[in-house]
Amino acid sequence: DTAVSQTPKYLVTQMGNDKSIKCEQNLGHDTMYWYKQDSKKFLKIMFSYNNKELIINETVPNRFSPKSPDKAHLNLHINSLELGDSAVYFCASSLQSRGPPWETQYFGPGTRLLVL
Amino acid sequence: DQQVKQNSPSLSVQEGRISILNCDYTNSMFDYFLWYKKYPAEGPTFLISISSIKDKNEDGRFTVFLNKSAKHLSLHIVPSQPGDSAVYFCAASKGDDKIIFGKGTRLHILP
Repeated sequence: DTAVSQTPKYLVTQMGNDKSIKCEQNLGHDTMYWYKQDSKKFLKIMFSYNNKELIINETVPNRFSPKSPDKAHLNLHINSLELGDSAVYFCASSLQSRGPPWETQYFGPGTRLLVL
Repeated sequence: DQQVKQNSPSLSVQEGRISILNCDYTNSMFDYFLWYKKYPAEGPTFLISISSIKDKNEDGRFTVFLNKSAKHLSLHIVPSQPGDSAVYFCAASKGDDKIIFGKGTRLHILP
């Protein structure tokens, strides 16, 4: 059974389009995250939600809007896609909302977004 | 501003030998450090961690060493196996704050 799943795995789209990436976890975790790995390979947190409540919101353009319909799902909607949005987006979930032990944080397989 | 630096983008090691992956950090307030392993087309998976109150943590073939005065940590894999070929991310956090990741080091285990 997949613990953290993301759809789609690959997404190729034109500049200016709006797209969504879905994430689901079946671990019963309370906290979910979105990370972005850019072309320079840095993996950086974008958002985290705890029980559907936003707890971390890094400096991310407001074109990115996370939505958590329930604690098992955290979707990422991106408006007006730009070339610089091309990256791999990882969803993750963890037991606790903040701090160590980070060992309980599990990542999804990633969604590779290419904006043309 | 890179607070966690992995200066070697890649490393090749003979199977059976020791692999040493290095990581430097700039923020002396970091108090928890982790190593993640990532295979292609998969997300990172937790490998081993160390709190700043320790200088060594061992788990099977994996040992992490922390040198706080040098702001340096390293991951030792002994003996290296083909399945260890992956990208290894160093990460750090302070208190309840978020994890900061390095850029990763790609490890190739040679037959």
